[in-house]
Formats: sequence, structure tokens, C-alpha cells
Amino acid sequence: GQQVMQIPQYQHVQEGEDFTTYCNSSTTLSNIQWYKQRPGGHPVFLIQLVKSGEVKKQKRLTFQFGEAKKNSSLHITATQTTDVGTYFCASTSNSGYALNFGKGTSLLVTP
Amino acid sequence: EAQVTQNPRYLITVTGKKLTVTCSQNMNHEYMSWYRQDPGLGLRQIYYSMNVEVTDKGDVPEGYKVSRKEKRNFPLILESPSPNQTSLYFCASSFSRRTDTQYFGPGTRLTVL
Repeated sequence: GQQVMQIPQYQHVQEGEDFTTYCNSSTTLSNIQWYKQRPGGHPVFLIQLVKSGEVKKQKRLTFQFGEAKKNSSLHITATQTTDVGTYFCASTSNSGYALNFGKGTSLLVTP
Repeated sequence: EAQVTQNPRYLITVTGKKLTVTCSQNMNHEYMSWYRQDPGLGLRQIYYSMNVEVTDKGDVPEGYKVSRKEKRNFPLILESPSPNQTSLYFCASSFSRRTDTQYFGPGTRLTVL
């Protein structure tokens, strides 16, 4: 399937600092999805990006899809302890049926 | 309440003893899928199903079987479990046949001794 590389693997920030995770592919992606998994929980869908250059916001979270549709980012402004968890990006295969996840970025926020 | 349920939530078993992990969704979703999650490897797709009686392999299908006889159920079968199948397993479903918003179940933690 289409491989997506996610960096960094871990990020530790102080509460109030910003955070960004990146998702990169060597091939053009049809779309990108982002999920959040709290410790001990299951992945929860955040958003899907489809269009080249697309930017979407959810409160303090900003999601971008690159112009070439080969990369994406999730930026959190002024992190809070409730943002702790692992953030995954995922891309759909060319067939549209398989879903390939990045390895995730684990975010730790200390007060 | 709309949800995906998995059973059991925790299971410790021994090598070679056949087991089934059930997955059920009450949202009339077309698409269902199984993933395994391992430290440092993220989520990897095992099998997926686009509709009743239609299934296909994901990235790591070896050692697993699935069936989709009813729309709401998608059991994962390990005919002869081995220790390398010790993992956290998630079932997920989505409305459309193509990958759409995935709704995940709570997970099944499997240990094979």
C-alpha cells in the first residue's frame, strides 16, 4: 500500500507550547485522514483532507494538505494536557479500500 | 448508541489454540476492517471487507482469517495462534464501501504464550 512516514515519533512539550506532526509520502495521496488515540483508548477520527493545498481548522488544531498531495501536517496551538495522545495520519490506497497508517506521533504535555 | 463492539476485550491463550475475536457494528456500515497495533509499528491493516461476502487482505494477513456473512459482524479468526500475534487488535467500520471515517472498537488485547 501507499506508505506514509510520520515524524517525529515522540514530542514532549510544556503546556502552552505549540506542536506539529508531519506526514510524508513519496507518492501522491488521494486523501489524508488524521486520528487521535488517547492513552489506553482507541483511535478517533479527527478530519479528512482531499484537496490539494487544503487547510482545515478545528479550534486549536490546524490541518494542512500539501500542494503536491504528498505531505500533510497537524499543528496544535497552545497545547493543553488534554491534547496528550498519539496522532496518526492515514492514507487510502489507490483502490480506495485499504487504509495505510503512519506510525504515529506520541505527544506528551506537561503542565 | 452507535458503536463498534469487540469481544473479548482481553485474552490470554496458548500457542496453537484456535480463537475468534468478534466484532459487531450497529451503524449499518458497509466497510469493516481489522488492524493490529504494536509498539513502534503503528496500526497495520490485517483484512478488510467492503460488503457481505466480500473481503480482501490488508498489509499483514498471514495467520488470520475473516468472514463477513452478515453486514454487522466481522469476526477475526486465528486458527493456530503464535506468540508473534500477541498484539492489540482493533476492529473498525465506515459508512461507505471505500475508506471513509473509520469508527474504531475499543480494542482486544491478545497475549499468546
